[in-house]
Amino acid sequence: DVKVTQSSRYLVKRTGEKVFLECVQDMDHENMFWYRQDPGLGLRLIYFSYDVKMKEKGDIPEGYSVSREKKERFSLILESASTNQTSMYLCASSLPGPDSGNTIYFGEGSWLTVV
Amino acid sequence: AQKITQTQPGMFVQEKEAVTLDCTYDTSDPSYGLFWYKQPSSGEMIFLIYQGSYDQQNATEGRYSLNFQKARKSANLVISASQLGDSAMYFCAISFPGAGSYQLTFGKGTKLSVIP
Repeated sequence: DVKVTQSSRYLVKRTGEKVFLECVQDMDHENMFWYRQDPGLGLRLIYFSYDVKMKEKGDIPEGYSVSREKKERFSLILESASTNQTSMYLCASSLPGPDSGNTIYFGEGSWLTVV
Repeated sequence: AQKITQTQPGMFVQEKEAVTLDCTYDTSDPSYGLFWYKQPSSGEMIFLIYQGSYDQQNATEGRYSLNFQKARKSANLVISASQLGDSAMYFCAISFPGAGSYQLTFGKGTKLSVIP
């Protein structure tokens, strides 16, 4: 059974803390993505990576960074968490190509609350 | 920049009736893909249907069909014979060539409620 695993489902962090969200996929996919999902705003792309050590900014990269040292792992980092980063974060992986959306698999999501 | 617009924040449909969820897109790339996903209250994202920009025929998958009108840049999802289990958020998405690979942009979603 293919899987995208997000290590933490629910987190509560304090303003200013450094936060790591980890994502691991077991499908040998080239592409990996981090989205955040907010009510009424849909899924917005934060960063994506199409290869090890390669990363590209998405639509809302401010306040976030990412790391991809191994093909199967893609980490999202909040250097200094703020309350407006309270959200649900979704990791995904896919094969490359224009039909990549039908090979995309999502994790279960990480609910982050910053207080 | 690529853009996806879903104009219906919420929709209601009677059980066993058909419903159309609207999606329009904007892109200058000739090669792209259009997708619909379902997100139940449990949170997982479920792939429903795919349409490639060069596909001549509308995609169908069981009770789901995609009404693709390329000139109008629309990719509406039609669900036939609605079931109570169809109640969920529905997202339209477009894949387009970005730096290094194709990436996906999602719309804001439509919340579908099926009434018994």
